[in-house]
Amino acid sequence: AQSVTQPDIHITVSEGASLELRCNYSYGATPYLFWYVQSPGQGLQLLLKYFSGDTLVQGIKGFEAEFKRSQSSFNLRKPSVHWSDAAEYFCAVGAGLTGGGNKLTFGTGTQLKVEL
Amino acid sequence: GAVVSQHPSWVICKSGTSVKIECRSLDFQATTMFWYRQFPKQSLMLMATSNEGSKATYEQGVEKDKFLINHASLTLSTLTVTSAHPEDSSFYICSARDLGLAGGWQETQYFGPGTRLLVL
Repeated sequence: AQSVTQPDIHITVSEGASLELRCNYSYGATPYLFWYVQSPGQGLQLLLKYFSGDTLVQGIKGFEAEFKRSQSSFNLRKPSVHWSDAAEYFCAVGAGLTGGGNKLTFGTGTQLKVEL
Repeated sequence: GAVVSQHPSWVICKSGTSVKIECRSLDFQATTMFWYRQFPKQSLMLMATSNEGSKATYEQGVEKDKFLINHASLTLSTLTVTSAHPEDSSFYICSARDLGLAGGWQETQYFGPGTRLLVL
């Protein structure tokens, strides 16, 4: 069975600082990986996804993530954080013949706080 | 594109009543939709997979008779919480699978804004 670990429950960074959110996955085959962001009381917005190809994936809002098979990781990064980035971030892994459309397994999330 | 809506966004009901939540894909067709439940400060837990024109597939531990799912069209799935009780209070989120232009590995799930249910 697939699983996702987000080791950091809370992260606080200063506005303008760089950010890296960690995500480790467990899956027996090539994973389909996603990062979603959730603002308080809202649904999830897709930031980026990895299915295959270039292991460095660019997303919306200036985010990027790098797939490292050897480390089973898919860490999310942003060079300069804005106050509006404060939210909950979820990493997810999808599986099956139909990739991300199949069931998603989510990590427990990382709450990002941005200090002004 | 790829917008998913949910209605209502908020619902408060009395214990023992039933509540219906709608999930719509606004600009794409979704043969498959998913229903998740999220407790405060926790991750999303998949409840069931809703397939258009067929019965939903429920995850282990989810009561089929408690959470009725209907996927009558390619753009609408409904979740009905029957005989709701306070322990059913939660944030319910749906997602819809967008097959994309190429289908297959291009599929991605897009999420609705969620429905907060409070059962008194």
